[in-house]
Amino acid sequence: GNSVTQMEGPVTLSEEAFLTINCTYTATGYPSLFWYVQYPGEGLQLLLKATKADDKGSNKGFEATYRKETTSFHLEKGSVQVSDSAVYFCALSRTQGGSEKLVFGKGTKLTVNP
Amino acid sequence: GAGVSQSPSNKVTEKGKDVELRCDPISGHTALYWYRQSLGQGLEFLIYFQGNSAPDKSGLPSDRFSAERTGGSVSTLTIQRTQQEDSAVYLCASSRAGGVSPLHFGNGTRLTVT
Repeated sequence: GNSVTQMEGPVTLSEEAFLTINCTYTATGYPSLFWYVQYPGEGLQLLLKATKADDKGSNKGFEATYRKETTSFHLEKGSVQVSDSAVYFCALSRTQGGSEKLVFGKGTKLTVNP
Repeated sequence: GAGVSQSPSNKVTEKGKDVELRCDPISGHTALYWYRQSLGQGLEFLIYFQGNSAPDKSGLPSDRFSAERTGGSVSTLTIQRTQQEDSAVYLCASSRAGGVSPLHFGNGTRLTVT
């Protein structure tokens, strides 16, 4: 079945450090890939997405590239800020039997210290 | 209206009692999802409604769980004869059309079964 594996946290960085959160997936065919973010006290929200191989999603300084050859969608940011502290979820969407449900990874908690 | 609204925000119940959780999706969104978020387990898919199609119930963990969506809008998730392992945050999300459309999440209902 479809599944997402992302690096276990928590991840703690200093402000302006480089961030990578690894995400790999297992799916038949060509899923769409997403990163969602959950800031403290808020609901999950879409951060970025990519719908086909080699697409790069980007938002708020974050980037992720859909790599079919390595079945990966790693999240990166060149210089993190304290306000980036949150839980990040990698997810995929694949139509199965007419249902387009989103399958999520377990989440990675990021803490950025000043 | 604003975003996805869930009620109650917190629910404490005794083992064996039934509970009902409510979700008001964003007006006009045809797709509605229920997920369960447990500590260290990420987001577990429960059920997906899309328009007038039969719902995808493949994620419901047991026959104690059921959900309905009336008039294509409000949804209720019912858990009968609650067990301690049902304790979790239950998240509702809606999207314009499912698939690659962004999911808009509510803030969840935190259920504690004592």
